[in-house]
Amino acid sequence: AQTVTQSQPEMSVQEAETVTLSCTYDTSESDYYLFWYKQPPSRQMILVIRQEAYKQQNATENRFSVNFQKAAKSFSLKISDSQLGDAAMYFCAYRRGGAQKLVFGQGTRLTINP
Amino acid sequence: SAVISQKPSRDICQRGTSLTIQCQVDSQVTMMFWYRQQPGQSLTLIATANQGSEATYESGFVIDKFPISRPNLTFSTLTVSNMSPEDSSIYLCSAGGDTQYFGPGTRLTVL
Repeated sequence: AQTVTQSQPEMSVQEAETVTLSCTYDTSESDYYLFWYKQPPSRQMILVIRQEAYKQQNATENRFSVNFQKAAKSFSLKISDSQLGDAAMYFCAYRRGGAQKLVFGQGTRLTINP
Repeated sequence: SAVISQKPSRDICQRGTSLTIQCQVDSQVTMMFWYRQQPGQSLTLIATANQGSEATYESGFVIDKFPISRPNLTFSTLTVSNMSPEDSSIYLCSAGGDTQYFGPGTRLTVL
């Protein structure tokens, strides 16, 4: 069974600084997708970024980028120029190609210090 | 992307009663998903709801406790039956194609 591990229960960063959240996963599949979702206190799950396993280029969305290391099964999220609105729980998720259900990591609570 | 709404947003219920949560998607989707998020925890998939067939439940979840309906391609309901305080959680529905989008969740408290 596929598993997703986030080893950092909590992280904090100063406003305007850069922070990296870690995620590792275990799978024997070659076709899969990886996601980072953000859940602020409002509890709405918001898609931050998505990476297809077949793409070598790391995904980027404005201040958010990933470091996808396929051989190491690592998928970290880098947030640049952190803003107060980035404070939330961040969940890493995996989806096998051809399937739609997601497997989530345990989450990392990110605090932004003004 | 898909826009998903859920009702109710929150509820407080008595032990032994049932609550039905509604999920509406703004476009037709093949599959909809129901997740449970217990306090301070990650999301756990309860079941996958396909239109026109019975829902597929994950290990540890049963139809008698969490019956699901999927009457059309934009709507689904999840019922939490015979509730106990252990059912106090956030329940989220999701849908989408290659990327899943989530509803705002229903915060359920069982007394």
